[in-house]
Amino acid sequence: DAKTTQPNSMESNEEEPVHLPCNHSTISGTDYIHWYRQLPSQGPEYVIHGLTSNVNNRMASLAIAEDRKSSTLILHRATLRDAAVYYCIRGGSGAGSYQLTFGKGTKLSVIP
Amino acid sequence: ETGVTQSPTHLIKTRGQQVTLRCSSQSGHNTVSWYQQALGQGPQFIFQYYREEENGRGNFPPRFSGLQFPNYSSELNVNALELDDSALYLCASSFGSRITGELFFGEGSRLTVL
Repeated sequence: DAKTTQPNSMESNEEEPVHLPCNHSTISGTDYIHWYRQLPSQGPEYVIHGLTSNVNNRMASLAIAEDRKSSTLILHRATLRDAAVYYCIRGGSGAGSYQLTFGKGTKLSVIP
Repeated sequence: ETGVTQSPTHLIKTRGQQVTLRCSSQSGHNTVSWYQQALGQGPQFIFQYYREEENGRGNFPPRFSGLQFPNYSSELNVNALELDDSALYLCASSFGSRITGELFFGEGSRLTVL
């Protein structure tokens, strides 16, 4: 049970912003929201994570809804290198806090 | 590059055989987690080793076992291989047992069972 819902696939034009949505309606107050991406033939790569407030780093921004039931990963200018599967993961809490439960993710295609 | 290295990168085994996969964690990290990724699926948690002890386990049978060494490198052993064990096996390293930050993944070992 991945406990998050994401679209199977999305497309974006190169150099345009991309908003990748994620629903996590059963999230608890102590669960972090993690985003990883996986390029073909590589291991997952950390993108960003957050708990309550919006977060920014050099790769992306994470916008978390006020009720924390959904979040959006924002890539400000998509490049061809951003074509990957993006996983939104609700971090385990309590006894499950040592693992990440991946779903199938969103496959992002970037069109030149 | 994450600094997490896995070996071998590819291997082929036959049903019933045993396999050992290896992972060197990133410098300064004391925790290694193993994940199995079947084709077209997201990674599935196998277990975590923290300070040389198994700290948590996913829904995998006992024929999946592991070790962590004093230098925090790790091995994943799978006995009595089945066709469904064909997958990409990923190792991830971190500091501390609770995931409150970044996991650093290796590029994986692709196992094919014939």
